[in-house]
Amino acid sequence: DAMVIQNPRYQVTQFGKPVTLSCSQTLNHNVMYWYQQKSSQAPKLLFHYYDKDFNNEADTPDNFQSRRPNTSFCFLDIRSPGLGDAAMYLCATSAKTGGVAKNIQYFGAGTRLSVL
Amino acid sequence: QKEVEQNSGPLSVPEGAIASLNCTYSDRGSQSFFWYRQYSGKSPELIMFIYSNGDKEDGRFTAQLNKASQYVSLLIRDSQPSDSATYLCAVNKEAGGFKTIFGAGTRLFVKA
Repeated sequence: DAMVIQNPRYQVTQFGKPVTLSCSQTLNHNVMYWYQQKSSQAPKLLFHYYDKDFNNEADTPDNFQSRRPNTSFCFLDIRSPGLGDAAMYLCATSAKTGGVAKNIQYFGAGTRLSVL
Repeated sequence: QKEVEQNSGPLSVPEGAIASLNCTYSDRGSQSFFWYRQYSGKSPELIMFIYSNGDKEDGRFTAQLNKASQYVSLLIRDSQPSDSATYLCAVNKEAGGFKTIFGAGTRLFVKA
């Protein structure tokens, strides 16, 4: 089945120790997103890629970086995690098919990050 | 004012009843509207999307959109305990754009 896969499902890191979260997709979608979701809060868009074009949200901290080496994979790098970065990180994809983008997003299962 | 507002709940309904979930948005130019269901500890799952004013039905779910009032709702008929989850309203602000703003969600509890 075509899907969005996130690894790992759970990640524990130490304060200040860099961490990388990964996302892969078999949907062949040209748009990939990273969201941060804290408990009882809305998912917050960090950035998205439209093909290779990277779009950073204005309020995304510099501590968060992303790479998309090809259509299928996208990575979220947190350079120096702080306690406030503990959250669920969600990867999503959508297809830009021309005209008005429906922007229906398909989410991976998420990676829950703990910072000690 | 938040861009997408939802009552956090919990909304409690008995099994078999109609659950009504509401959402308002601030950007009058918003184009696309989505309802996602999120079980505790899981990722969001698309339930419905709607672009035009009026009602859209899919099985037990009906989405309603009123752009003049900047209001979108989700009705769940014959509610089941398995419908107990958080329902996220999401709004796409621009035609052809990718930025989707999510509400914080309404927790629904269906009592057996």
